[in-house]
Amino acid sequence: GESVGLHLPTLSVQEGDNSIINCAYSNSASDYFIWYKQESGKGPQFIIDIRSNMDKRQGQRVTVLLNKTVKHLSLQIAATQPGDSAVYFCAEQTGGGNKLTFGTGTQLKVEL
Amino acid sequence: GAVVSQHPSWVICKSGTSVKIECRSLDFQATTMFWYRQFPKQSLMLMATSNEGSKATYEQGVEKDKFLINHASLTLSTLTVTSAHPEDSSFYICSAQVINQPQHFGDGTRLSIL
Repeated sequence: GESVGLHLPTLSVQEGDNSIINCAYSNSASDYFIWYKQESGKGPQFIIDIRSNMDKRQGQRVTVLLNKTVKHLSLQIAATQPGDSAVYFCAEQTGGGNKLTFGTGTQLKVEL
Repeated sequence: GAVVSQHPSWVICKSGTSVKIECRSLDFQATTMFWYRQFPKQSLMLMATSNEGSKATYEQGVEKDKFLINHASLTLSTLTVTSAHPEDSSFYICSAQVINQPQHFGDGTRLSIL
């Protein structure tokens, strides 16, 4: 279903620290997951994706972990930089379809 | 690669006006295009899914006569907000997708109806 919220959860980290952003997804039949980064006034930007036949995938400075047992997804950002400040959304796609259902989002604030 | 352009980025108009928003995939041909609406500090809500040459599929609660979608080619989809009113003010975002690939998003259109 749709995810709507009035307040964005916020994660504040110090520059250089690692960040972990969590997401609980809703549909056990979902088989494809994406993390997007959205900066203020812009559209979401693709970061990394993972399919349900994997439990971990690494990119440049980012790692996505998938735990299907508890329907949990996380995004780890190594050595967080000021440019990482944004809202991060997880999105899930259910098999056979191409529609994405977005999570409520997490605001990441990087403190100098 | 995978650049999606959305135009205009910001529009202000009077109540009762119809507004057209364009979404173009610049360096790829999109199998499907999607239109979303986003309110401040909220998530993206899918409005409709559009395939080239066929009628758009609207999500429940989205008025198809209010939000007209035309998908004339593999690189262009348009959303027209007809007879817009202040409650239609929002951030509208499109995305384009090649089958089995992630959706790539435009930078959105901020619509303000006075």
